[in-house]
Amino acid sequence: NAGVTQTPKFRILKIGQSMTLQCTQDMNHNYMYWYRQDPGMGLKLIYYSVGAGITDKGEVPNGYNVSRSTTEDFPLRLELAAPSQTSVYFCASSDRGSNQPQHFGDGTRLSIL
Amino acid sequence: AQSVAQPEDQVNVAEGNPLTVKCTYSVSGNPYLFWYVQYPNRGLQFLLKYITGDNLVKGSYGFEAEFNKSQTSFHLKKPSALVSDSALYFCAVRAYDSNYQLIWGAGTKLIIKP
Repeated sequence: NAGVTQTPKFRILKIGQSMTLQCTQDMNHNYMYWYRQDPGMGLKLIYYSVGAGITDKGEVPNGYNVSRSTTEDFPLRLELAAPSQTSVYFCASSDRGSNQPQHFGDGTRLSIL
Repeated sequence: AQSVAQPEDQVNVAEGNPLTVKCTYSVSGNPYLFWYVQYPNRGLQFLLKYITGDNLVKGSYGFEAEFNKSQTSFHLKKPSALVSDSALYFCAVRAYDSNYQLIWGAGTKLIIKP
């Protein structure tokens, strides 16, 4: 059981480039989330989804886009990379119900130069 | 405003001693509270949660947490620390009326010295 899988693990981008961070889960979870983690700042929610075809903005959505065409996949798109987007990005999923814990991938470490 | 505070950036404990990692919260309604652990270069792992009922919650790896409604706290504890417990610990709270979003603390680095 793989859980939540994120690719790539590391990436360096130039300013203005675009890329997609991939996330897939095999637990049949309805809810999926994208976070960014900056040193000493905890986790900030970028986007989340409560099911296929349904997405919503989190706390820091600017500069990002998401889609959810299947239950399993929840890719995060950066269109015009900026240095402020240098961070570690985590994808998570959870079962239906607000008391359910979230399951995390191992993250994508992204540097924008 | 809803918030979670972890007042200590770092906690140092000798192996074998008890440990406490502190968390306080401010949310509307009855909170759902969570603790997660993060090892280097890994994602967060769920440790335990408080939803309702007994104020002392037991979780993975021998950890437990005590919910105190009057002090709005949810401190993480372990009777005897192991060097392998060294990691980053996050407290999170989900407000009852939220859209399934978690409010996260900034994290506490726990260092267990042999």
